[in-house]
Amino acid sequence: GGIITQTPKFLIGQEGQKLTLKCQQNFNHDTMYWYRQDSGKGLRLIYYSITENDLQKGDLSEGYDASREKKSSFSLTVTSAQKNEMAVFLCASSISGGHSYEQYFGPGTRLTVL
Amino acid sequence: QQKVQQSPESLIVPEGGMASLNCTSSDRNVDYFWWYRQHSGKSPKMLMSIFSNGEKEEGRFTVHLNKASLHTSLHIRDSQPSDSALYLCAASRNNYAQGLTFGLGTRVSVFP
Repeated sequence: GGIITQTPKFLIGQEGQKLTLKCQQNFNHDTMYWYRQDSGKGLRLIYYSITENDLQKGDLSEGYDASREKKSSFSLTVTSAQKNEMAVFLCASSISGGHSYEQYFGPGTRLTVL
Repeated sequence: QQKVQQSPESLIVPEGGMASLNCTSSDRNVDYFWWYRQHSGKSPKMLMSIFSNGEKEEGRFTVHLNKASLHTSLHIRDSQPSDSALYLCAASRNNYAQGLTFGLGTRVSVFP
């Protein structure tokens, strides 16, 4: 088994601020993902990475940067926080390739922008 | 427009009853469907996945897939209060590393 850790658990920022969210996994998975979830609704893909130093944009990448410096960690930066923004950012990881690649999710970082 | 459409948006089911959830993809390149369950305040966890036409059963949960219509459904029999959660359908284009496309979810409430 393994675990995904996300820090911080809660993040409060100011409008225009640059904010960084971190994710660590010990599954030894190759692929990692960042999703955004608004108001208990569906998830939207922001970025994913198939290996160390690789980055691929998802549908929601505008306004975000990502970094995969190590296999076990994947960071997401909100480049300029939007006023009244509230969302949960979920990190996930999976084995690349194969017939089945279940994604395992971390507990999330809840963002509030004042 | 949402590429993965789920219905209904919410569902109230009596304990012991059957819950039926639907999901359709508008992306003809989709190959695989996934059902995730997310309890309130928790992260999503995979419930079932299906890649072939037909039916798959695991305990009280049954998934159907019609690849021609890109429609999948999830059925929960003998529903329990612990089944109350947001059920997310997701689709992927192939079995390699890409992100999943999720629907908006169906919120299921099971009352005693």
